[in-house]
Amino acid sequence: SQQGEEDPQALSIQEGENATMNCSYKTSINNLQWYRQNSGRGLVHLILIRSNEREKHSGRLRVTLDTSKKSSSLLITASRAADTASYFCATDPNAGGTSYGKLTFGQGTILTVHP
Amino acid sequence: DGGITQSPKYLFRKEGQNVTLSCEQNLNHDAMYWYRQDPGQGLRLIYYSQIVNDFQKGDIAEGYSVSREKKESFPLTVTSAQKNPTAFYLCASMGRSYTGELFFGEGSRLTVL
Repeated sequence: SQQGEEDPQALSIQEGENATMNCSYKTSINNLQWYRQNSGRGLVHLILIRSNEREKHSGRLRVTLDTSKKSSSLLITASRAADTASYFCATDPNAGGTSYGKLTFGQGTILTVHP
Repeated sequence: DGGITQSPKYLFRKEGQNVTLSCEQNLNHDAMYWYRQDPGQGLRLIYYSQIVNDFQKGDIAEGYSVSREKKESFPLTVTSAQKNPTAFYLCASMGRSYTGELFFGEGSRLTVL
């Protein structure tokens, strides 16, 4: 079964609105990451949050992590049409140790931002 | 500019043929990875290598093979033993600091005819 499960599977909003995507996971983690993928392209790293952090910001992105509930959320504020993409959460399951890149990816949320 | 180059971007193969996907990086990264992505799915790890001349199987290694003769290169061979090879293949790398961030190439789409 997938370590990371995103919710919703698809999200459609208007420009200027906020977009919130959620990710749940099953095992203890070292860190949780969010990636973006434009259609037919490679993934681009957005943000990483460590297991001892609760919230992190980067530009219009805000990520929260609740290790007690094994869940994370990604908030994109003031969405733009250019934010249209798939967003994936990825967990590093090597709890307490060094990440070796063996990330486990969820199935992704497809975000569509209408102009 | 530093980055990861995958080639070819599109590849068609007849059943029973082996194909090799190229992955080259000039980021001076030690670790390299191959992931497979199926439509509407997340990524699954095929193989990874943390150092030259060493590599380990990921979650779905059956029907695939790799080599790591040079730090910059990590080619993936999709063999005829792979029963469902049509997919999008992504190569990634990570630096020695193992910060956790993966850098990805643009992917190779393999279609078996």
